[in-house]
Amino acid sequence: GQQVMQIPQYQHVQEGEDFTTYCNSSTTLSNIQWYKQRPGGHPVFLIQLVKSGEVKKQKRLTFQFGEAKKNSSLHITATQTTDVGTYFCAGNNAGNNRKLIWGLGTSLAVNP
Amino acid sequence: EAGVVQSPRYKIIEKKQPVAFWCNPISGHNTLYWYRQNLGQGPELLIRYENEEAVDDSQLPKDRFSAERLKGVDSTLKIQPAELGDSAVYLCASSPQRGDSSTDTQYFGPGTRLTVL
Repeated sequence: GQQVMQIPQYQHVQEGEDFTTYCNSSTTLSNIQWYKQRPGGHPVFLIQLVKSGEVKKQKRLTFQFGEAKKNSSLHITATQTTDVGTYFCAGNNAGNNRKLIWGLGTSLAVNP
Repeated sequence: EAGVVQSPRYKIIEKKQPVAFWCNPISGHNTLYWYRQNLGQGPELLIRYENEEAVDDSQLPKDRFSAERLKGVDSTLKIQPAELGDSAVYLCASSPQRGDSSTDTQYFGPGTRLTVL
């Protein structure tokens, strides 16, 4: 079945360092969403990417969708302690609308 | 605007007991999801409703899990009987129904943390 893989599983950085998490799908996606879950919290929607090669920015966060629409990345510039949490990507199969396949997430820890 | 409401927030039961979770989605959201999330893992879809119809319940363990959304608004998820492996956070999410083919943003509730002893 369709799978969405995320790497790395964990990342520990010093405050001010950059962070990147990668998401790879076994099949072509119609779109991909990114969510953030703080410790003890619930997933919160960050962004959706739809177009091939799309790049979107939210302050220090940069999201990319690959040209083949099978991979995506989230890059955080100059991490802050408020960035701590688990970042999930969730992809929608190009032929199966409205069913998201979730990655296992990348847990980010930031040392002050 | 109120977010997705879930209750209870925490539940501790002994194995073989029944348990029920309740979810009230954001007003006007036609699509409702129940997820299970184990520690350190991503959400796992159990069932998705569009209005009162369960359109995807392929991942719901039907021998012990049941769900309903009778009037197309709030929903309940039941486990009977509960097993030790059911300990997890049960998340409810909702999304508005849109006319295009893109995936809707999902808005999550705070979840119910279930502990089965």
